[in-house]
Amino acid sequence: TQLLEQSPQFLSIQEGENLTVYCNSSSVFSSLQWYRQEPGEGPVLLVTVVTGGEVKKLKRLTFQFGDARKDSSLHITAAQPGDTGLYLCAGIYGGSQGNLIFGKGTKLSVKP
Amino acid sequence: DSGVTQTPKHLITATGQRVTLRCSPRSGDLSVYWYQQSLDQGLQFLIQYYNGEERAKGNILERFSAQQFPDLHSELNLSSLELGDSALYFCASSADTGGDGYTFGSGTRLTVV
Repeated sequence: TQLLEQSPQFLSIQEGENLTVYCNSSSVFSSLQWYRQEPGEGPVLLVTVVTGGEVKKLKRLTFQFGDARKDSSLHITAAQPGDTGLYLCAGIYGGSQGNLIFGKGTKLSVKP
Repeated sequence: DSGVTQTPKHLITATGQRVTLRCSPRSGDLSVYWYQQSLDQGLQFLIQYYNGEERAKGNILERFSAQQFPDLHSELNLSSLELGDSALYFCASSADTGGDGYTFGSGTRLTVV
């Protein structure tokens, strides 16, 4: 079983639509991070959240950390083709020896 | 350019062979992490080094080993390669504990034939 479950696994939408992707776990995380990965490249950090209930905004992207620090969501407003990519959540928890554990990701495709 | 340099970018080798992947961390970062990414398993943590010392081990096979040198660059050695070892191998670095995020390199795509 995957420690961090991401949903949906795949998402294909039209330009201008809104979307939300989810990251869930039964473990409590001290730090939860979102990355975006494009084909042939390494993941790129988007945001880090550490406080339960925390909300961070990055232009059209809104990240939320659950109150219990077990889940997170990423909301994109008015998606654009440039948002296409693999969105990965990753977290550090008590059993991870201080290292990031990754979910399998949500593959987003935004069509013009 | 993320500042983390990985070489080579692509590697094709035969089963049973041994290869070495190289990583130079971002300037100032002391921690280096190695991850394996495959289609079915996603990004799997292999091993972490901090300032030359092994700090944590993940799902790293006994056929794999790594080290971090005094100049902080790191090498991942993969031996007795099997078809199933074909994957993307990423190196990442961070200043210390990584709680503020990792910086990833572009990866090495290993194909075992």
